[in-house]
Amino acid sequence: SQKIEQNSEALNIQEGKTATLTCNYTNYSPAYLQWYRQDPGRGPVFLLLIRENEKEKRKERLKVTFDTTLKQSLFHITASQPADSATYLCALDIENAGNMLTFGGGTRLMVKP
Amino acid sequence: DVKVTQSSRYLVKRTGEKVFLECVQDMDHENMFWYRQDPGLGLRLIYFSYDVKMKEKGDIPEGYSVSREKKERFSLILESASTNQTSMYLCASSRYREAFFGQGTRLTVV
Repeated sequence: SQKIEQNSEALNIQEGKTATLTCNYTNYSPAYLQWYRQDPGRGPVFLLLIRENEKEKRKERLKVTFDTTLKQSLFHITASQPADSATYLCALDIENAGNMLTFGGGTRLMVKP
Repeated sequence: DVKVTQSSRYLVKRTGEKVFLECVQDMDHENMFWYRQDPGLGLRLIYFSYDVKMKEKGDIPEGYSVSREKKERFSLILESASTNQTSMYLCASSRYREAFFGQGTRLTVV
């Protein structure tokens, strides 16, 4: 069956360090992979999109990698801040499925001052 | 500013009731989605619509139906609410790839 796995355990890091979150998938061939941020009681907010032919994408302190051979994406937040504390979701966008987005379970990040 | 608005933030309904969750977007997006979110299970796609009157089943359509009569509005219908449909419901819309979400409706079925 198709599966998207994110580390369900919370990730606790110290302010200023780099946070690295993992998204693994099986039985998909996504054309795109997206990352979203979700704060408690709110809907997810789009952060970054990476295409299957891109290895890496950056936006300010955020960096995403996409390895279609390993079927894995890594999401990095450098110089993390307490305000980065949230749940981060990866989503697969399978082009043949007409823009349907399928989400992983999310990883909760806690950045301590 | 981009906006997806869900009609209710919190809703309490009785078992067996017919429930309507409404979602409106002001961005002229073709695609609209309904997800439910439960602890430990993440966001699961219920239904997806890529145009007016068009719909596709997601991963968990059982017990739900949808209606899209106008481009800006996508309704989720629980024909006969059950306690296992207690959840957070999230509506989203997109044109190309990036999805914009509403604030969510927390539905409790008692």
